[in-house]
Amino acid sequence: QQQVKQSPQSLIVQKGGISIINCAYENTAFDYFPWYQQFPGKGPALLIAIRPDVSEKKEGRFTISFNKSAKQFSLHIMDSQPGDSATYFCAASWNTNAGKSTFGDGTTLTVKP
Amino acid sequence: DTEVTQTPKHLVMGMTNKKSLKCEQHMGHRAMYWYKQKAKKPPELMFVYSYEKLSINESVPSRFSPECPNSSLLNLHLHALQPEDSALYLCASSQVGTANSPLHFGNGTRLTVT
Repeated sequence: QQQVKQSPQSLIVQKGGISIINCAYENTAFDYFPWYQQFPGKGPALLIAIRPDVSEKKEGRFTISFNKSAKQFSLHIMDSQPGDSATYFCAASWNTNAGKSTFGDGTTLTVKP
Repeated sequence: DTEVTQTPKHLVMGMTNKKSLKCEQHMGHRAMYWYKQKAKKPPELMFVYSYEKLSINESVPSRFSPECPNSSLLNLHLHALQPEDSALYLCASSQVGTANSPLHFGNGTRLTVT
């Protein structure tokens, strides 16, 4: 049973465009939702994270939108750059138990110059 | 550079070999993890150590044997692996019992079993 569903599997965006990646979760006990960015040959790195008591969080060009009633959250990358080309994983966990994170299947983003 | 250091970066081993992967962190995190990642897939949890004690084993075959010598080090001992065990092995760490504590990953060991 997949507890976090991520879409799309791959995404191609022109430079300067908006990239949107969506995730849906099932377990209402989840209360911490990080996004990880992974470049080829590297480990995943935390990009941005949100808790369900907040509907939106913005850090630079990256924004998480959270809809608790729909059990959905999304990552928006504004003014997408070729350097943003990477694989993005959404995840969900219990707040104090990061290790039991459930990951989405990942989205490979390609930003064309 | 990542604050979680993994060695070696690449490893090729035969099915009869014994090798070890090493991981080190100096962030004071008391939880450490081993993940396995196949190409184009998310990380898959293998083991969790909390305060140097094994707390989670996700039904991993016994040919993988973890060890946590102290709060900064984590090893993964490999023996009699199969070709399907070829993957990127990621170490991660996090705080324990702290709000909003994400996983901090190393850059992994790329393992090829021949």
